[in-house]
Amino acid sequence: QKEVEQDPGPLSVPEGAIVSLNCTYSNSAFQYFMWYRQYSRKGPELLMYTYSSGNKEDGRFTAQVDKSSKYISLFIRDSQPSDSATYLCAMSVAGGTSYGKLTFGQGTILTVHP
Amino acid sequence: DADVTQTPRNRITKTGKRIMLECSQTKGHDRMYWYRQDPGLGLRLIYYSFDVKDINKGEISDGYSVSRQAQAKFSLSLESAIPNQTALYFCATSDQFSLAGPPVSTGELFFGEGSRLTVL
Repeated sequence: QKEVEQDPGPLSVPEGAIVSLNCTYSNSAFQYFMWYRQYSRKGPELLMYTYSSGNKEDGRFTAQVDKSSKYISLFIRDSQPSDSATYLCAMSVAGGTSYGKLTFGQGTILTVHP
Repeated sequence: DADVTQTPRNRITKTGKRIMLECSQTKGHDRMYWYRQDPGLGLRLIYYSFDVKDINKGEISDGYSVSRQAQAKFSLSLESAIPNQTALYFCATSDQFSLAGPPVSTGELFFGEGSRLTVL
């Protein structure tokens, strides 16, 4: 069983839809939870991060962490064609030497069509 | 210019050949990483280096070696390439963390644009 599981999709939605992307994990030591966005032929870029549990909102994006269920989500409101990309969840344990050593999900391919 | 530069961007080679992928960065970060990306498997860590004298194996280091030539340069070598090493390879960097409570820096990884390697 992988430490982090993410539905690879692909997911296709119309412009303006609410998108929900999810990951589950098995390592209870994970403390840092991130979402990276990767456009075609590019490297991933950090979109959102959350430390421990809770919600975090940034514009149209909301990240949620439920540590009791070992489940994280990324919601995209009013989705736009420019949101079309692969979304990767990533996690890390606490501890200085572990920082930057991330465990990634498989990535979900999202297409938002006009 | 990109902060994290990888060369070559694309390479096709044959089984048994030695291949080197190079990475240089202008972000001034001490920490550098090599990941590979495969469809359905996501990104997996090959090697990481927290400074010039510190090299560590990641999740999938077999068949790979690295060299940290300077703070800004980190290269990945495949001594004898095999077809299942066909993948997209990413170099990444990250900043130091503060250990005083929740970090000032998230340890965000900054990725290059990738090197696509095909081994025939």
